[in-house]
Amino acid sequence: QSVVTQPPSASGTPGQRVTISCSGSSSNIETYTVNWYQQLPGTAPKVIIYANNQRFSGVPDRFSGSKTGASASLAITGLQSEDEAEYYCAVWDDRLRGVVFGGGTKLTVL
Amino acid sequence: EVKLLESGGGLVPPGGSLRLSCAVSGFTFSNYAMGWVRQAPGKGLEWLSTISGDDADTFYADAVKGRFTISRDNSRSTLFLQMNSLRAEDRGTYYCAKALYYETDAFVVWGQGTRVTVSS
Repeated sequence: QSVVTQPPSASGTPGQRVTISCSGSSSNIETYTVNWYQQLPGTAPKVIIYANNQRFSGVPDRFSGSKTGASASLAITGLQSEDEAEYYCAVWDDRLRGVVFGGGTKLTVL
Repeated sequence: EVKLLESGGGLVPPGGSLRLSCAVSGFTFSNYAMGWVRQAPGKGLEWLSTISGDDADTFYADAVKGRFTISRDNSRSTLFLQMNSLRAEDRGTYYCAKALYYETDAFVVWGQGTRVTVSS
């Protein structure tokens, strides 16, 4: 059971908007900035959103991040087949004195 | 171009040791925190350890505390992970990663990973 919680799966059709949630607590999301990683099958993870809502270099503006209190969200608009991947939220945790990853959300493009 | 290249993975018996290395290029190594993240087969990402850019601070996940040691050689732009008392559950792909700046920041660049198998 991860300290930060994500839904195990999400899905959408091409062109749709999907959101993935990440729920934490006062020792992590409420205090520190949240980062989002995309992992395509068989490849290393890569950061897509850092510091809650900053798109990393080269990431399409279809991806956006937000945070309210102890929860964060990743939104993908204009869903494309190439977005099918595993998505992880991650944040520093003050109590654990380390990084915590969510369990991951497998996004399927129908 | 920023590059991270892990090495040192392989097959080791339970109770054995391995030392992973991560050679970096394309940035001033000593200015950035670095970390190790692993992924068991078919499972999610698990943070293991982070070290500050100046080598002053280290942080460990409970799962590896006391068994793994992170270190860096800023003169050689290389990150290390010494893994002792290895267990079957330590099996997986080990990634080194560069932080945006500090240990609480995102990992913005990742290596391709090196595989570790713990089995007799």
